[in-house]
This record gives sequence, C-alpha cells and structure tokens, in this order.
Amino acid sequence: EAGVAQSPRYKIIEKRQSVAFWCNPISGHATLYWYQQILGQGPKLLIQFQNNGVVDDSQLPKDRFSAERLKGVDSTLKIQPAKLEDSAVYLCASSFTGQKPTGELFFGEGSRLTVL
Amino acid sequence: AQSVAQPEDQVNVAEGNPLTVKCTYSVSGNPYLFWYVQYPNRGLQFLLKYITGDNLVKGSYGFEAEFNKSQTSFHLKKPSALVSDSALYFCAVYTGGFKTIFGAGTRLFVKA
Repeated sequence: EAGVAQSPRYKIIEKRQSVAFWCNPISGHATLYWYQQILGQGPKLLIQFQNNGVVDDSQLPKDRFSAERLKGVDSTLKIQPAKLEDSAVYLCASSFTGQKPTGELFFGEGSRLTVL
Repeated sequence: AQSVAQPEDQVNVAEGNPLTVKCTYSVSGNPYLFWYVQYPNRGLQFLLKYITGDNLVKGSYGFEAEFNKSQTSFHLKKPSALVSDSALYFCAVYTGGFKTIFGAGTRLFVKA
C-alpha cells in the first residue's frame, strides 16, 4: 500500500514570495490534514478536510494561507505572501474514517520550508 | 480545554537501560491514545495506541505503553533502550470528530 506522498521535500524562498505544497493521501482515506511543525514543537493543525469539505480551519492564517481538495483526493496548501515565521515543516496526514475509525494518522515525509 | 502534556523536553538514558517517556492528558470522555515517533527529516510514524481493554499495550520496536485512567496518563516504556531509539516522541489523543491533539514532544537521547 502506497503511503502519503508529499512534494516538494524542501523549498527555500524569499519573504513575500509564494509557495505551494502538494499531498496525495492513502487511497480510500477520506480525511486529510495539513499540520505545521515549527522546529522543536509538536504538529499544529492548520486545516482538516473530510472528502472535499473543510471540517476545521480555525487555526489557518487565512490572510496568507489557503488550501483546497477539489476532488476529495489530493490537496494543495498555498502560502502567499510568505513571512519569515512560516519557516517550518508542513506535514500532510490522512486517516480512515469509515464505520470503525481507528484514529491512526498516516503522515507523509513533510515539506520543509525555509523563508529568507 | 482539551490538552496533552509531555512534561520532559528531553530524556537521556544509557543503552540497555529501561526508558520511560511521560504523557498526561486532559480530555473528556474515553479518548483513543497514541504514541508517534519522528526520526530526523521524516514524518511521524505510528508506534502504538490504546482504545480499550488491557492497560498495557505493546507496539512497534519493542515499545509499550501503560494507560492509567485515574492519573490520566499514558507513559511510553521500553525495557532496554537502543541507540537507534533516539528520536522525537509525540503523545497524541484522538477525540471525537476525527480530531487529534498532539503533545509538544519529548526528545529521547540514548547514549552508547
């Protein structure tokens, strides 16, 4: 079974530039999450999708961050314009949320963003 | 407010010695409890979980965790640490609505 795919693995940009990250979850996983992990901290949920609908985006800085999951499969997270404090690893995760959800999250390798 | 606490930023242990990484939680109801591990430049990997049943659960790589309802704790343990166990460990609680709350993480350093 293929895992959660993310790209790019690394990205370096100047502040005020834009960047996009892509995630393809495990096949059949209806729930997709984007987390931000700042160095030395635990993952912070940015947005949660159930199929192609947003379940929770309460911690997403909507003035600069946007995310979509148009067909209920893969997802894109965009930052525009980037700030220095956006330097972090962006983790995508998916989970099975069928009749008996296990609660287990499956993570991709992450996309490390450095904003200069 | 629902929360997960990992009181130690770092745990140091000698190879071959037992290790414990602590976790306490404050969540209503009967949550699912998890431990994840993160190696450098990698995503988080599932180690083990507690949903119901025996309070001692066994997981990957020889790790186990003990659930204590009265103390609302879910400490991660291993009888004999390996240098390769050195990593960042996260305790997490899965609540209703498919939401997961993570602790801040504990860095485990195993010295040879």
